[in-house]
Amino acid sequence: AQSVTQLDSQVPVFEEAPVELRCNYSSSVSVYLFWYVQYPNQGLQLLLKYLSGSTLVKGINGFEAEFNKSQTSFHLRKPSVHISDTAEYFCAVSVLNYGGATNKLIFGTGTLLAVQP
Amino acid sequence: EPEVTQTPSHQVTQMGQEVILRCVPISNHLYFYWYRQILGQKVEFLVSFYNNEISEKSEIFDDQFSVERPDGSNFTLKIRSTKLEDSAMYFCASSTSSYNEQFFGPGTRLTVL
Repeated sequence: AQSVTQLDSQVPVFEEAPVELRCNYSSSVSVYLFWYVQYPNQGLQLLLKYLSGSTLVKGINGFEAEFNKSQTSFHLRKPSVHISDTAEYFCAVSVLNYGGATNKLIFGTGTLLAVQP
Repeated sequence: EPEVTQTPSHQVTQMGQEVILRCVPISNHLYFYWYRQILGQKVEFLVSFYNNEISEKSEIFDDQFSVERPDGSNFTLKIRSTKLEDSAMYFCASSTSSYNEQFFGPGTRLTVL
């Protein structure tokens, strides 16, 4: 079975500072990796995804993440955060499925990024 | 830009009542999902649907739950007899393929009294 761990429930950071949100996963098979963002009282929006290829993935709003297979990690980074980045960030995995059936997403518990002025 | 829509945005119901949550996935998508998020907890998978049948369901998705795609555009989640613990935000999602990103709707907040 797959699982996702986001060790930091909350990350406070000052505006314009860099930030890294950690995500580790556990799986005995290959996975796809995703970061979603949830702004207050809104749904989930995809930030970025890793399916294959380059391990450094760039997403929207200046975010990027690096897939590290040996460390089973997919940490999210941004070099300079803005007040508007304050939101809940969810890491998720889905299992590669060559059979054509659906792939459920397994989410971590989320990390609240709190950007302070 | 096409998006997933959900109605209603907020549903309040009495314990034991039936509720139907509605979703309109993106029109060319073929894979459909329901997730839920209990307040303060993580998003949990409920069920996936493809080719007019359930593809996978979680332990949460018991006999009280059902899904349907009644008319080729809507995708519904029915809870037959709601319990207090069904109170949560319910998200619908859709995707073009089994390995591509899922697009989420804004959610329906279900409150069971």
